[in-house]
Amino acid sequence: QQPVQSPQAVILREGEDAVINCSSSKALYSVHWYRQKHGEAPVFLMILLKGGEQKGHEKISASFNEKKQQSSLYLTASQLSYSGTYFCGTDVSGGGADGLTFGKGTHLIIQP
Amino acid sequence: DADVTQTPRNRITKTGKRIMLECSQTKGHDRMYWYRQDPGLGLRLIYYSFDVKDINKGEISDGYSVSRQAQAKFSLSLESAIPNQTALYFCATSDGTGGLETQYFGPGTRLLVL
Repeated sequence: QQPVQSPQAVILREGEDAVINCSSSKALYSVHWYRQKHGEAPVFLMILLKGGEQKGHEKISASFNEKKQQSSLYLTASQLSYSGTYFCGTDVSGGGADGLTFGKGTHLIIQP
Repeated sequence: DADVTQTPRNRITKTGKRIMLECSQTKGHDRMYWYRQDPGLGLRLIYYSFDVKDINKGEISDGYSVSRQAQAKFSLSLESAIPNQTALYFCATSDGTGGLETQYFGPGTRLLVL
């Protein structure tokens, strides 16, 4: 079952902050975040494991609430380059044994 | 050179034809994946492979088959293409390091089935 992302779309002015949420009905081992620009491949942003371990870009922050099976991606002081579609991917089995299940995406538009 | 390559990049075919999409990687990863992307539906997993002898069905494997010819090559076949298989197809690889694995996506193959 696909995780649910919210909002579906958001439009910001450059410099504003955004939060993108990802929620699953299943117990998660990890949450993965990717960004895709139009016509391009998705690019890795961050992984968050249950227990608190995480790996990702320095300028990206995210949280993972294990009790609620929810993750949030925080984009602060947004730049034009942040525009794109953000996907969360969830792993329920650990180590990607069953692959990732991706949400439908959140479209982010940053205006100057 | 790109680490994950897909051929062809664009393909138009007719209903009922058999086609193969190919993926190659130079990252040395054991794990490889095929996804399809449809507008508004995100990425959905078709098949994945953790090594040459390990092939697993994903969420939407019906109508597709795969072949892992070598560690570096993973092909997706549509035995008899149908119009609702029109989509953007991505191959991905991952390093599978204890849960902190990153998936690296190829540039995608845009398939149109008439």
